[in-house]
Amino acid sequence: SQQGEEDPQALSIQEGENATMNCSYKTSINNLQWYRQNSGRGLVHLILIRSNEREKHSGRLRVTLDTSKKSSSLLITASRAADTASYFCATDANQFYFGTGTSLTVIP
Amino acid sequence: ETGVTQTPRHLVMGMTNKKSLKCEQHLGHNAMYWYKQSAKKPLELMFVYSLEERVENNSVPSRFSPECPNSSHLFLHLHTLQPEDSALYLCASSQDLGQGTYEQYFGPGTRLTVT
Repeated sequence: SQQGEEDPQALSIQEGENATMNCSYKTSINNLQWYRQNSGRGLVHLILIRSNEREKHSGRLRVTLDTSKKSSSLLITASRAADTASYFCATDANQFYFGTGTSLTVIP
Repeated sequence: ETGVTQTPRHLVMGMTNKKSLKCEQHLGHNAMYWYKQSAKKPLELMFVYSLEERVENNSVPSRFSPECPNSSHLFLHLHTLQPEDSALYLCASSQDLGQGTYEQYFGPGTRLTVT
């Protein structure tokens, strides 16, 4: 499939720790986006990184992109209980593809 | 979340019923999307509309029929659904299609249960 695939599928950490999620994809892309979804709700856009960028920051979020390895990572620093959600990467290759997501639980 | 609204939020229907899902975006966007989200599966893109014209139809069964009367409204008409169609149906919009350059804004979804 061409979808992004997130790894791990589930992650549980203590509040204050950092959380790292990875995304791998199979085809060349123009850009990659990360989204967050709270249980049973719509997705919320977090950050977009273009194929010619290697790293991008937004608040406590840091995204990296390695096009040679066809992979991206999302780092959430100093996690909070409110960060508990599912996180998806989305890649575009003539069509928008989402992965199955990483379910993050931050324990207070 | 008020940029894209969806109604109803929850829907239970029998296999012989006909119902419609409604999506409205208040963001002035040109593109709108329907997605299906089932447990343990990737988000599935169903339909894409750009300036009220359908530009993508991902082999979706004909029991799902989209309608886009204007750039602010998107409907998904449902008839003779199957239990496996039970899922969260998400509507999204973006400024334009632009090969994914534009972020998508999602509605809260309609939780559909087919009995």
